Amino acid sequence: QVQLQQWGAGLLKPSETLSLTCAVYGGSFTTYYWTWIRQSPGQGLEWIGEINDSGSTNSNPSLTSRVTMSVDTSKNQFSLKMSSVTAADTAVYYCARAIWRRAPPLSFYHYMDVWGNGTTVTVSS
Amino acid sequence: SSDLTQDPAVSVALGQTVRITCQGDRIRTYYASWYQQKPGQAPLLVIYGENNRPSGIPDRFSGSTSGNTASLTITGTQAEDEADYFCTSRDSNGDHWVFGGGTKLTVL
Repeated sequence: QVQLQQWGAGLLKPSETLSLTCAVYGGSFTTYYWTWIRQSPGQGLEWIGEINDSGSTNSNPSLTSRVTMSVDTSKNQFSLKMSSVTAADTAVYYCARAIWRRAPPLSFYHYMDVWGNGTTVTVSS
Repeated sequence: SSDLTQDPAVSVALGQTVRITCQGDRIRTYYASWYQQKPGQAPLLVIYGENNRPSGIPDRFSGSTSGNTASLTITGTQAEDEADYFCTSRDSNGDHWVFGGGTKLTVL
């Protein structure tokens, strides 16, 4: 059974860089999209971005300028860095495994079937 | 505002059927997936694709798509189904994934 274990600093000051890592246990690292999602207190889910095992990325246009995602296939890990954080970045951050498949003839389906437990990140001076 | 529109709250009587909807411009092309989230927990995938349930999800959960609207239906709703439900699909430009704003389901 695939499990995702995530970790990173939970308390940051404004302007610092958020850094989170997610390790994949019990499954393949290839053919999937490794995803970051966040949830601000009392709010809905926000897709941050995804990266595949080749390092190809796609990210939320509202966050792209501050987000860097990377993979370490030798360790089955992927990471998120978000620069210049503010209080608005306070949230629970989740990593997840995403699957993206073609549904003939002209459709696609995409879903996140395995999630990490979440890391609470607080930005406060 | 979100590219995917969900009703903020829906209620249903115990044992009855409830439909939660998600409207978006790209749902015809990118099937929605649905997630259940209970307080303090990570989201849980309940429906993906045309109408697929991951292992362990009860068969009272089903999905459908009509035009630009995806629906999650719970037949014979149980007390433990009380949760927030989120859909995902592609944004209006077709470039990025987005979540709907979520629907809080209350079981009466």
